Formats: sequence, C-alpha cells, structure tokens
Amino acid sequence: AQKVTQAQTEISVVEKEDVTLDCVYETRDTTYYLFWYKQPPSGELVFLIRRNSFDEQNEISGRYSWNFQKSTSSFNFTITASQVVDSAVYFCALSEAYWNYGQNFVFGPGTRLSVLP
Amino acid sequence: GAVVSQHPSRVICKSGTSVKIECRSLDFQATTMFWYRQFPKKSLMLMATSNEGSKATYEQGVEKDKFLINHASLTLSTLTVTSAHPEDSSFYICSAMGGGFYEQYFGPGTRLTVT
Repeated sequence: AQKVTQAQTEISVVEKEDVTLDCVYETRDTTYYLFWYKQPPSGELVFLIRRNSFDEQNEISGRYSWNFQKSTSSFNFTITASQVVDSAVYFCALSEAYWNYGQNFVFGPGTRLSVLP
Repeated sequence: GAVVSQHPSRVICKSGTSVKIECRSLDFQATTMFWYRQFPKKSLMLMATSNEGSKATYEQGVEKDKFLINHASLTLSTLTVTSAHPEDSSFYICSAMGGGFYEQYFGPGTRLTVT
C-alpha cells in the first residue's frame, strides 16, 4: 500500500528564513509520481511540482527547490527566503503510474507553514 | 488551460435536505473525475472516482447512497449529498483528468455546512 508521511505538522519561521518541509513515501511500485501542492487559506489547491520516479534531479523554481532521494524515499521541499505569502498548508502526494493515476493518489497529512513578519 | 470549476463555492443547508455540488472541466474533456473530502485541518481523502457514462467507484467506507455521483458528460460531474447531517459538513474538492493530460487538475473546492 502507498503511504506518504509528513512528519512536521506545523512549522513557524520568521520572514526571510529558509525552511524545509519533509516528505517520506512508501510504495512498492518502480514507476510512480510525487507531487507537492500548496493550500492557502482560501482552500484551493495550487500545484507546485510533479516528479516521476526515474528523474532524481533536484529542481529549483525561483525560491522553491525540491530534493528527491530514492535511496531514502524522500522528496523534500525547501523555500528559500520565506515570505508571509508562503503561509499555507503544504501537501506531498504520491501516485502510481498514470494508468492507475487518480485511483491511487495518496496525500500526506500536510504541513502547516506560518511565516511571521 | 486545464481549468476545473466547482459550484457553489460555499453552501449552507439544513439537516435532512440534499445539496448538489457541480464540478466542471472548462477547457478540456474530463474522462475521469475524482471527489475528495477534507475535514478541518486534515488531509484530502478520496471519496470516489467517476468515469464519464459509467457508475462511480466508491472508496471503502463511503456510502454510495448518501453521496450520489453522476458523471453524465465529459465536462460535468455532480456530487449530491442526500439527507445531509451536520457530520457531512466538510470541504469537498473535485479533480479531473483527460484531454490527453496525465495530470489531475483540482477544482477550488466547495465548503458545505449543514445546520
């Protein structure tokens, strides 16, 4: 069975600090996808990134970066120089290969990030 | 592209009544739509998967007679909460796949409050 763990329930940082959100996953599949979503107070999920299991390159997008390590089954997310607008709940998610995509799409419990001015 | 809308965004209804939530894919044909439920400060839990023109597949523990799902067209799926009770109050989110995209696009969610 698939499982996503986000050990940090809540994190508070002061603006401009860097913060890393942890994500550890479990799956028996060799082909799978990992995701990060942001959920601001409005509730709408904002897609941040998708990574397939064969691509272990780290990715950087502006202040966001992701570290995918298959050896430790982790897909951590770092926000550099955090801003108040980054305050939200962040979900890590895992899906099997696309032919079973949605039916096996599992969200982690989420990490609530508060960035204080 | 790949926009999914939900209507209404918020609804308050009285206990015992039924409420319908619509999920629409605005610029692509959604062969598959998903309904999720999110309790306050909790994660999203998949309720059911619906494919256009066929019956929805419900996750274990989800009452299909209480949460009626209809996916009558390639752009519309509806979730009807029948005989709503206060414990049905939740945030309901739909998502859609299709149009050649192997991607799940989420709607903005509907906040249901049953009084």
